Amino acid sequence: EDKVVQSPLSLVVHEGDTVTLNCSYEVTNFRSLLWYKQEKKAPTFLFMLTSSGIEKKSGRLSSILDKKELFSILNITATQTGDSAIYLCAHFNNAGNMLTFGGGTRLMVKP
Amino acid sequence: DGGITQSPKYLFRKEGQNVTLSCEQNLNHDAMYWYRQDPGQGLRLIYYSQIVNDFQKGDIAEGYSVSREKKESFPLTVTSAQKNPTAFYLCASSIVAAGNQPQHFGDGTRLSIL
Repeated sequence: EDKVVQSPLSLVVHEGDTVTLNCSYEVTNFRSLLWYKQEKKAPTFLFMLTSSGIEKKSGRLSSILDKKELFSILNITATQTGDSAIYLCAHFNNAGNMLTFGGGTRLMVKP
Repeated sequence: DGGITQSPKYLFRKEGQNVTLSCEQNLNHDAMYWYRQDPGQGLRLIYYSQIVNDFQKGDIAEGYSVSREKKESFPLTVTSAQKNPTAFYLCASSIVAAGNQPQHFGDGTRLSIL
């Protein structure tokens, strides 16, 4: 059965800190892994990772995938209060038509 | 602006009542999805549709029904058979249902039981 596990469940940091969020997965036939940021409402798409070892970067956020060890990390440097959100990791099923989500990591950044 | 519109934002249901949540997109996407999110948990797939007039059950379809008569619209009905309907419901769409196309989400509908 496909599975996604995120850690930690929650995290509290201060502005300026660097954080690393973890996502491990089990899937029969890997297609891609996605990261989303959810503030109050709609999850917004951050990254899609398909190849191992290639870092995707957008401003202070970056993510990398390790297909051998079946995990991905999301790094946020110089955190700001606006980074406070739930971060969701997901991967596609074998047929590529359904996403399986992890339980999310709730990040709180204090001023 | 292109996007996904869900309505209403908040909905209250009496016991034994069916309710319908609306989802409309003007992104010209073929695939649409419905997810349920419970407090402190990730998203779970209820139903998805890869194309007009076709839809498939997700992981937790019991007590729900959908239709896909138009490309732009994918309404979800929460029936009285759904015994624990209180949750946050999210609609999503993607260009096609494929493992290389990210899904984009609406702002959600929060359903509560009276």
